[in-house]
Amino acid sequence: AQSVTQPDIHITVSEGASLELRCNYSYGATPYLFWYVQSPGQGLQLLLKYFSGDTLVQGIKGFEAEFKRSQSSFNLRKPSVHWSDAAEYFCAVGEAGNNRKLIWGLGTSLAVNP
Amino acid sequence: GAGVSQTPSNKVTEKGKYVELRCDPISGHTALYWYRQSLGQGPEFLIYFQGTGAADDSGLPNDRFFAVRPEGSVSTLKIQRTERGDSAVYLCASSLAGADTQYFGPGTRLTVL
Repeated sequence: AQSVTQPDIHITVSEGASLELRCNYSYGATPYLFWYVQSPGQGLQLLLKYFSGDTLVQGIKGFEAEFKRSQSSFNLRKPSVHWSDAAEYFCAVGEAGNNRKLIWGLGTSLAVNP
Repeated sequence: GAGVSQTPSNKVTEKGKYVELRCDPISGHTALYWYRQSLGQGPEFLIYFQGTGAADDSGLPNDRFFAVRPEGSVSTLKIQRTERGDSAVYLCASSLAGADTQYFGPGTRLTVL
């Protein structure tokens, strides 16, 4: 069965510092991979997605993620964090060709110190 | 344009009661999804509609849960004989036919006392 693991439940970084949020998945074929962000009182917003092609994908708000098949990972990165990035981040996986049903990780809560 | 909207934003009910949660997808989106998010968890897939029909309802936890989308636009998630364990945020998302990005609404927080 498909699964998604986000090993870090909570991360705190200082404003301006770099950020990496980890995501590992278990899936037999090439998955579709997503990162969403959820702010308090807001809906889930798509940051970026990977379907195929270049394994380094760029998203909104200065985020990027790299798909590493050998490590079954899709880690999210940002070179310089802003206070407004404080939120809950979710990694999700969908079946290639059938990504209707997304399987989600438990999320990583990001706090940003001024 | 307008995003996915969900009503009510909050619903408090008593154990054993019936509730309906509504989702208005983005105009023109033929695919609609329901997820449930419990505290401290990621969203959990419930059901997916393509048009008026439920293409995949494998995530519905039991027969107390039912969803409809009679005209291929607005959807209603119906929960009968609510239990305290049904308390969660119910999320709705929509996408264009054949597209893979799901756009989410703000959710309905259901509390069963």
